[in-house]
Amino acid sequence: NAGVTQTPKFQVLKTGQSMTLQCAQDMNHNSMYWYRQDPGMGLRLIYYSASEGTTDKGEVPNGYNVSRLNKREFSLRLESAAPSQTSVYFCASRGLPGETQYFGPGTRLLVL
Amino acid sequence: GQSLEQPSEVTAVEGAIVQINCTYQTSGFYGLSWYQQHDGGAPTFLSYNALDGLEETGRFSSFLSRSDSYGYLLLQELQMKDSASYFCALNTGFQKLVFGTGTRLLVSP
Repeated sequence: NAGVTQTPKFQVLKTGQSMTLQCAQDMNHNSMYWYRQDPGMGLRLIYYSASEGTTDKGEVPNGYNVSRLNKREFSLRLESAAPSQTSVYFCASRGLPGETQYFGPGTRLLVL
Repeated sequence: GQSLEQPSEVTAVEGAIVQINCTYQTSGFYGLSWYQQHDGGAPTFLSYNALDGLEETGRFSSFLSRSDSYGYLLLQELQMKDSASYFCALNTGFQKLVFGTGTRLLVSP
């Protein structure tokens, strides 16, 4: 039981390049989330998926797109990376209402 | 919108008790969560208050007062491994979490 996994762990991009961050969970959770964390800050919600087939914007969705591929997988895409998107990206999942969120190990992204 | 305020840093010695405060502004929420995050690591869940009052989980306790828009995390019998950042977060529905900026706890011998 791996919990929440994220790939890649680290990535360096040039401004304007695109990439997809992958997230998968093996806990049969319905809800999945993408957050970003800037240095010395709390996490901010980018997008979430309350259940398979649905996605909704969070606090800071601009510049990102998401896909809930199936119940297990929730990907985050940067179409044209900008230096302001340099951050650590965390994926999380949650099972039943009232349960806590479980976070993946994070992807550290540097945009030059 | 919502906002949460926490002290940026708290220091304490091993074996002591420390309280990390969180004040918030919101038009509505379901509860207040607390997460721990070690440097370079992922946030891990510590405690959740859906109702006013104290919740106790081992060495950690959390308190919520909706009338005062205030909560705190209490850590007892501090250990070196408790040195980490601690975040309060409002649960705003579909368990969307709005996080505070975090409190860095430094535990010294």
